[in-house]
Amino acid sequence: DTGVSQNPRHKITKRGQNVTFRCDPISEHNRLYWYRQTLGQGPEFLTYFQNEAQLEKSRLLSDRFSAERPKGSFSTLEIQRTEQGDSAMYLCASSSYGVAYEQYFGPGTRLTVT
Amino acid sequence: DAKTTQPPSMDCAEGRAANLPCNHSTISGNEYVYWYRQIHSQGPQYIIHGLKNNETNEMASLIITEDRKSSTLILPHATLRDTAVYYCIVRETQGGSEKLVFGKGTKLTVNP
Repeated sequence: DTGVSQNPRHKITKRGQNVTFRCDPISEHNRLYWYRQTLGQGPEFLTYFQNEAQLEKSRLLSDRFSAERPKGSFSTLEIQRTEQGDSAMYLCASSSYGVAYEQYFGPGTRLTVT
Repeated sequence: DAKTTQPPSMDCAEGRAANLPCNHSTISGNEYVYWYRQIHSQGPQYIIHGLKNNETNEMASLIITEDRKSSTLILPHATLRDTAVYYCIVRETQGGSEKLVFGKGTKLTVNP
């Protein structure tokens, strides 16, 4: 499978715990994006990487959130001290330089904070 | 905030054309119109994009009005698998933000 993959697909955690999600983009894609989607809403942009550089962050990305893409390949999104409001689907997407309009999305990680 | 307005829901009979409208009255000259769809429990999927000319690919056709203030996505022969939420997005492709700004989209239900 050469699509975008995300792990885990589902995560249940207790409030106050830290969680980390992983995204593996399509191998030749140098751009990687994180979005968050709550029930009944469209995805909301969180942050974007070009290679290993984090070029844009939404104000939605509070200081409890951190994203990395250390070698310009896979990326991780960590949420510290989770809150119930963090419950959502976290989507990762990737694209190629020069074909930036077409973002390929992964299946998402559904986070439930109890 | 999303720069587009779409009806919240639409129905279509299987085998018929589905015409999904989108208003983007504040679109600027260097912004493109993109369409994505999201089938239940999946990530969004790119469908098509255009600037001012009509576009067609294997999935759909995109008709953009001459003043570029609105567009229509056409699925020529809708199938049950086309049931999804369809998002219309305007975005610059060069020099602007890389992000996609999604609204609530149109939930299309294709009925047998």
